[in-house]
Amino acid sequence: ETGVTQSPTHLIKTRGQQVTLRCSSQSGHNTVSWYQQALGQGPQFIFQYYREEENGRGNFPPRFSGLQFPNYSSELNVNALELDDSALYLCASSLGGVLLSGANVLTFGAGSRLTVL
Amino acid sequence: DAKTTQPNSMESNEEEPVHLPCNHSTISGTDYIHWYRQLPSQGPEYVIHGLTSNVNNRMASLAIAEDRKSSTLILHRATLRDAAVYYCILRDVSLTTNAGKSTFGDGTTLTVKP
Repeated sequence: ETGVTQSPTHLIKTRGQQVTLRCSSQSGHNTVSWYQQALGQGPQFIFQYYREEENGRGNFPPRFSGLQFPNYSSELNVNALELDDSALYLCASSLGGVLLSGANVLTFGAGSRLTVL
Repeated sequence: DAKTTQPNSMESNEEEPVHLPCNHSTISGTDYIHWYRQLPSQGPEYVIHGLTSNVNNRMASLAIAEDRKSSTLILHRATLRDAAVYYCILRDVSLTTNAGKSTFGDGTTLTVKP
């Protein structure tokens, strides 16, 4: 089985720009969640998608948005980039419906490193 | 939001057991306790998870306090490859908008000495 793949691995943007990060979930997984990891800190939950709908969100402003596609792949979009958005963005997939989402194991990708200048 | 607290760093000698503690005093009844570890330049990797009972797998054991306000990850014989940042997280299994929400702390950096 294939794992979680993310693209691009690294990118540089300037303040005010928009960015789209992509994630292919592990084969058979139907749920995707996104995390922001600043240098030296633990990952922070952004949101989760199940069956193409957002069904859980952390403390992130609306300029962080996402999509999940019928093949369960996902995108994270960030508008009006700020310097503090510089971080490693991690995607994780898991299997199960909403009821079991807390129990199900997360499989993480290697992340996309975003630098905002 | 329920939070986890872990020591910033711990050291162990190779082939000795390691006990990594985690406090989660505000845990809710619908939170599962998960442990992940992260090597440099990689995403976190699953180690073990549980709800109320102690759990064992090929990688580690998880001991959960009776009141669920703390847990301990046990690596029975540390190897150099176990050197990583270990995260204890809570994952909400409820049907609310918190579904799947995972709260990470800053983790424990484990150093294994040969």
